Amino acid sequence: AQSVAQPEDQVNVAEGNPLTVKCTYSVSGNPYLFWYVQYPNRGLQFLLKYITGDNLVKGSYGFEAEFNKSQTSFHLKKPSALVSDSALYFCAVRDRRSNDYKLSFGAGTTVTVRA
Amino acid sequence: DSGVTQTPKHLITATGQRVTLRCSPRSGDLSVYWYQQSLDQGLQFLIHYYNGEERAKGNILERFSAQQFPDLHSELNLSSLELGDSALYFCASSVRTGRETDTQYFGPGTRLTVL
Repeated sequence: AQSVAQPEDQVNVAEGNPLTVKCTYSVSGNPYLFWYVQYPNRGLQFLLKYITGDNLVKGSYGFEAEFNKSQTSFHLKKPSALVSDSALYFCAVRDRRSNDYKLSFGAGTTVTVRA
Repeated sequence: DSGVTQTPKHLITATGQRVTLRCSPRSGDLSVYWYQQSLDQGLQFLIHYYNGEERAKGNILERFSAQQFPDLHSELNLSSLELGDSALYFCASSVRTGRETDTQYFGPGTRLTVL
C-alpha cells in the first residue's frame, strides 16, 4: 500500500520569502517521490522527483525537495517565492516494488504568494 | 506544454449517457495512464496501458473502460453516466525504460460535467 499526506491545505507567504510545502509518505518498500504543480485550468506539470542517491533534489523553476527517510518526508522548498508560484501543489509516491506504475497523490496544497 | 494532448477540453452531457475521452501521448511514449480528479476524492489512478496492453487497474468503475490503439493513442469510455462522474479526467504518458523511474507527463485534462 502507498499513500501521501500533505498536512497543509493552504500555505501563504510573501514574495521573496522562503516557501515550504510539506509532504509525508507511506509505502511498504522504498519510494519514488514526485512533486507536481497545477495552475488554474491547466494540467499537472512535473517539478522534480526523487529516485535514489542525493537526498536533495533540484527541479524546475528554482524548486528543490529534500528526501528524509527517517521522517518519511519529502518537503518541497523554494528559497525565494514569486507571485507566479501561486498554484496547487501535489506530492505523489510510488512503491519501487509495485509493478503497476500508478502514482498515489496527496490532497494538494494551495500556495498563495502575496506581492 | 507537456506534449500530451487530450480532447475534448470540456464535455457536458446528461445522466445515463456515454462519452469517449481521447488522449494522444508524447511522441515515443508507450505508456498511457488515466486519472480522475474530483473535489471529494482528489486525484485517483484509473488504469495504465503499455503498448496496447492493459497493465494495471486502479479505482475504475465497471461502467468505465479504456483501450490503447496501435498508434498508441488511448480512449477512456464512460457509460451510464451519473452525476458523481463529473470530474476532471487526466491522461499521462511515460516512456518505459525498464528501470521503473519514468516520469509521468500529464495532459491538460478533459472536464466532464454530467447534468
